[in-house]
Amino acid sequence: GQNIDQPTEMTATEGAIVQINCTYQTSGFNGLFWYQQHAGEAPTFLSYNVLDGLEEKGRFSSFLSRSKGYSYLLLKELQMKDSASYLCAVDEDGNYGQNFVFGPGTRLSVLP
Amino acid sequence: GAVVSQHPSRVICKSGTSVKIECRSLDFQATTMFWYRQFPKKSLMLMATSNEGSKATYEQGVEKDKFLINHASLTLSTLTVTSAHPEDSSFYICSASPTGLAVSYNEQFFGPGTRLTVL
Repeated sequence: GQNIDQPTEMTATEGAIVQINCTYQTSGFNGLFWYQQHAGEAPTFLSYNVLDGLEEKGRFSSFLSRSKGYSYLLLKELQMKDSASYLCAVDEDGNYGQNFVFGPGTRLSVLP
Repeated sequence: GAVVSQHPSRVICKSGTSVKIECRSLDFQATTMFWYRQFPKKSLMLMATSNEGSKATYEQGVEKDKFLINHASLTLSTLTVTSAHPEDSSFYICSASPTGLAVSYNEQFFGPGTRLTVL
């Protein structure tokens, strides 16, 4: 079966660092994606990991451990505009090679 | 970059009517497109996989006779909500992955979404 878990909500202060965790159990694995989604808008791509380790991209970094079925998204120097939902998604490499399974999303609130 | 459009962005209809939502890949071809539904403060739920030139593949629990999908070309997929009811009110998002391009991974590009309200 498929199971992807994320914390439902998180709160952090402007300028701080926050780590959003994602654990997964899927039938296949062809990479893990992180998306940011503001209310009423489409998700926007943040990062992609397929090998173990840390991928850094500006203020955002993403880490993957395939053996543990675990990933995290690290947001540094938080800004108010970072208040959004963050979705973890696994590409299961299904029949069409493009079978995404989304986690429940983490709603991050950045406070002044 | 790859751009996916959806039309309309918002639609309000009466109960019992049908609504068609279009999803277009503007600068790439997509053999496969995906339709998601999202409830407020919830994650994306895959409804169906739309395949160009063949029948869509529906996820368990999604009524294929109610949510009709047509993938008429490599750049267009349509979702028709038939005999819409208030419980069908939701945010519908499509996505597509470029085919035939040298991409390093299967990134999906999302449309801006369609907000459907059934009165």
